[in-house]
Amino acid sequence: DAKTTQPTSMDCAEGRAANLPCNHSTISGNEYVYWYRQIHSQGPQYIIHGLKNNETNEMASLIITEDRKSSTLILPHATLRDTAVYYCIVGLSGSARQLTFGSGTQLTVLP
Amino acid sequence: EPEVTQTPSHQVTQMGQEVILRCVPISNHLYFYWYRQILGQKVEFLVSFYNNEISEKSEIFDDQFSVERPDGSNFTLKIRSTKLEDSAMYFCASGGAGQPQHFGDGTRLSIL
Repeated sequence: DAKTTQPTSMDCAEGRAANLPCNHSTISGNEYVYWYRQIHSQGPQYIIHGLKNNETNEMASLIITEDRKSSTLILPHATLRDTAVYYCIVGLSGSARQLTFGSGTQLTVLP
Repeated sequence: EPEVTQTPSHQVTQMGQEVILRCVPISNHLYFYWYRQILGQKVEFLVSFYNNEISEKSEIFDDQFSVERPDGSNFTLKIRSTKLEDSAMYFCASGGAGQPQHFGDGTRLSIL
């Protein structure tokens, strides 16, 4: 599976958009970009995933560059409850393949 | 919204004892997984299970570990003879065809 690179930590003011970047320059054509988050030792929570096109759901938006070598997760109006470690993971869809978690980005939403 | 449920939330076991961690995956999912997270470390893959057999397993998943889907709803992880280093959070996940994996809230396993 392709490797990802994320900043170790980021801060964001409450109510502002949080933009979390991820580099995945070795992604292959059939691999998806997944975003999960983990709030203090709870189970990882699925946020969003995409292949080529930008995606939006009730939690977030995912912007994938045209060359697919990087992406950005956008939380449009961050709240204190969005404070978590955010993981960007590249992998195949709907298969028995493992998700490989890195260290992620610790997002702290400040009041 | 359907979710993955895990029991117990906390298990305390003496070293050398057997332990079984239980998971109820989301009902129409076909792929099942176990991961673990030692305190302060990354989430690590243990094993994936599809069509009643192991699809993939990591180096961590040695002969002391086994998985089973004993009926249509449960998915279990057994550790035969626990070691101190097995202390961790254990997460079960499930996924459908073309669907992302969804995780339970984990079982905290403490080996004394």
